Amino acid sequence: QVQLQESGPGLVKPSQTLSLTCTVSGGSITSGNYYWTWIRQHPGKGLEWIGYIYHSGTTYYNPSLESRVTISVDTSNNQFSLDLNSVTAADTAVYYCARYDSGSIDYWGQGTLVTVSS
Amino acid sequence: EIVLTQSPGTLSLSPGERATFSCRASQSVSSSYLAWYQQKPGQAPRLLIYGASSRATGIPDRFSGSGSGTDFSFTISRLEPEDFAVYYCQQDGSSPITFGQGTRLEIK
Repeated sequence: QVQLQESGPGLVKPSQTLSLTCTVSGGSITSGNYYWTWIRQHPGKGLEWIGYIYHSGTTYYNPSLESRVTISVDTSNNQFSLDLNSVTAADTAVYYCARYDSGSIDYWGQGTLVTVSS
Repeated sequence: EIVLTQSPGTLSLSPGERATFSCRASQSVSSSYLAWYQQKPGQAPRLLIYGASSRATGIPDRFSGSGSGTDFSFTISRLEPEDFAVYYCQQDGSSPITFGQGTRLEIK
């Protein structure tokens, strides 16, 4: 059973960079044709896809965030990461890491709330 | 990007009743790339249906999905108490991946 766990600061100052890591257990990040995904949910709102990465390092980003987002993968530690720069209060959200498989997202982390505030 | 519009916004029903959710896309979506999720408060979404009509692993057969093109639906044939939650549709027929705004299923 694949499990994903987000980690990182719960509070980030405006204009700084939000950095989160997702640790994958129960399977190798390099096995299968999966894309390792970041999704966020603003408080009380719907879901927004941020982007995903293949274990080779190929990335795809949501155009609405592309100028500020970097997703990277560390296959040796079975992790992938999210960097979102120049954050504002509008980036306050629960951030989920997840696994994408052929059109749907089948495994999710529990989510981590990141608040942008001075 | 493809906009998914879910209706109704809120559905008020009683256990044992049938629930039907609608998801309409602004452009045609390949059925292979339409999914449905359930989200309970404080939890991550859970995949219920993929490929418009295939149940994910461990999902009871009271959950079903159908549709094609721009119109998709999701049905819970007989509501159980644990089914009251928010339901989202999601497409990846065209990048970026997008989600509907959700339908809240509440106890009447």
